[in-house]
Amino acid sequence: GEDVEQSLFLSVREGDSSVINCTYTDSSSTYLYWYKQEPGAGLQLLTYIFSNMDMKQDQRLTVLLNKKDKHLSLRIADTQTGDSAIYFCAESINTDKLIFGTGTRLQVFP
Amino acid sequence: GAVVSQHPSRVICKSGTSVKIECRSLDFQATTMFWYRQFPKQSLMLMATSNEGSKATYEQGVEKDKFLINHASLTLSTLTVTSAHPEDSSFYICSARERTPQNGYTFGSGTRLTVV
Repeated sequence: GEDVEQSLFLSVREGDSSVINCTYTDSSSTYLYWYKQEPGAGLQLLTYIFSNMDMKQDQRLTVLLNKKDKHLSLRIADTQTGDSAIYFCAESINTDKLIFGTGTRLQVFP
Repeated sequence: GAVVSQHPSRVICKSGTSVKIECRSLDFQATTMFWYRQFPKQSLMLMATSNEGSKATYEQGVEKDKFLINHASLTLSTLTVTSAHPEDSSFYICSARERTPQNGYTFGSGTRLTVV
């Protein structure tokens, strides 16, 4: 079945790194995504990784994928207050619909 | 990049009335659009997949007669909440996928529906 789990809450100090974790159950995932949602807004695509990749870096964002353990993480370097939001991981099943994780609320404090 | 425009952003309606939400892909053609529902502090729940020129595919537990989806063109999908009730109050978000999955799914800005 399809199940994507995330820790609910993460609090970090400004300037530190944030690591948001995600686990999924469906091994047929082809793409995995990270989205950011600010209050009352839609979702903004941050980055994605193809299922045959282990790592992808894009400026302050680093995505690590452990396909064996079905574990995905998003590392945000030099976290800023503007990074405070809810972060969702999502898996694309057979390149069709997206299954979203439960979301992690990131709070950045000065 | 790809932009999906969703309107209205906020709507308040009376119980028993119907509300239409529009989702437009502005600079690309979207043969497939998706409609999600999000409850406060919860994740997105896929309601249905909207296919241009054919019937929508609804997820289990979603009433197709209550949530009418029309995808009449490659750039427009609409969701109509019929005979709305307070329990239909929620945040509705549409998304569209560009030609290749690598581009991800672009989301509209969402519609906050409040039924009073």
